[in-house]
Amino acid sequence: SYELTQPPSVSVSPGQTASITCSGDKLGDKYACWYQQKPGQSPVLVIYQDNKRPSGIPERFSGSNSGNTATLTISGTQAMDEADYYCQAWDSRTVVFGGGTKLTVL
Amino acid sequence: QVQVQESGPGLVKPSETLSLTCSVSGGSVSSGSYYWTWIRQPPGKGLEWIGYFYYSGSTNYNPSLKSRVTISVDTSKSHFSLKVSSVTAADTAVYYCARGGSSSVGDAFDIWGQGTMVTVSS
Repeated sequence: SYELTQPPSVSVSPGQTASITCSGDKLGDKYACWYQQKPGQSPVLVIYQDNKRPSGIPERFSGSNSGNTATLTISGTQAMDEADYYCQAWDSRTVVFGGGTKLTVL
Repeated sequence: QVQVQESGPGLVKPSETLSLTCSVSGGSVSSGSYYWTWIRQPPGKGLEWIGYFYYSGSTNYNPSLKSRVTISVDTSKSHFSLKVSSVTAADTAVYYCARGGSSSVGDAFDIWGQGTMVTVSS
């Protein structure tokens, strides 16, 4: 079965750029999307189709996807961005989530 | 504005069947090319896709759960349901329903319920 691998944790200082990776076999041939989940809340879509932002998502969130790696980038990271982030893709009509990355802003 | 909300028992005994309902408001489960989906999250762990009902009438399930899961849609009542049979403690999780396939976000899941915690315990 298809797997997506994320680092368990990433740390960033306020105002700096955070990058969270998601790796999978030929992931660049698929669309990747990203969800943000804060404690006790439901996930929120922040990036879809590799690099598009849904309405209401700040411009500091961006994405890319090439080769075997998709990347979520948060520019000018704010304390409110501290959360778990999950990548997701489709493979053979099934939905696959990465294991999640805890972003700490310190 | 479409919203979805999960409901069902918060406690299920081992070996029994877990049954949840997702109510859809502001829209219909029978319109649009959507994936009406169930996703779960065990305490302290990541998201796990359970399965979906596609508007065309087809369903698809996580291979690891396929033998125990059924997702169905009641278009007259505008809700869709999840059944997981022969549950064990490993099925303890927050269960989310979600909608995917919106023309505005492709196949991503842009609408999520608040989640409902289900504990499997005697």
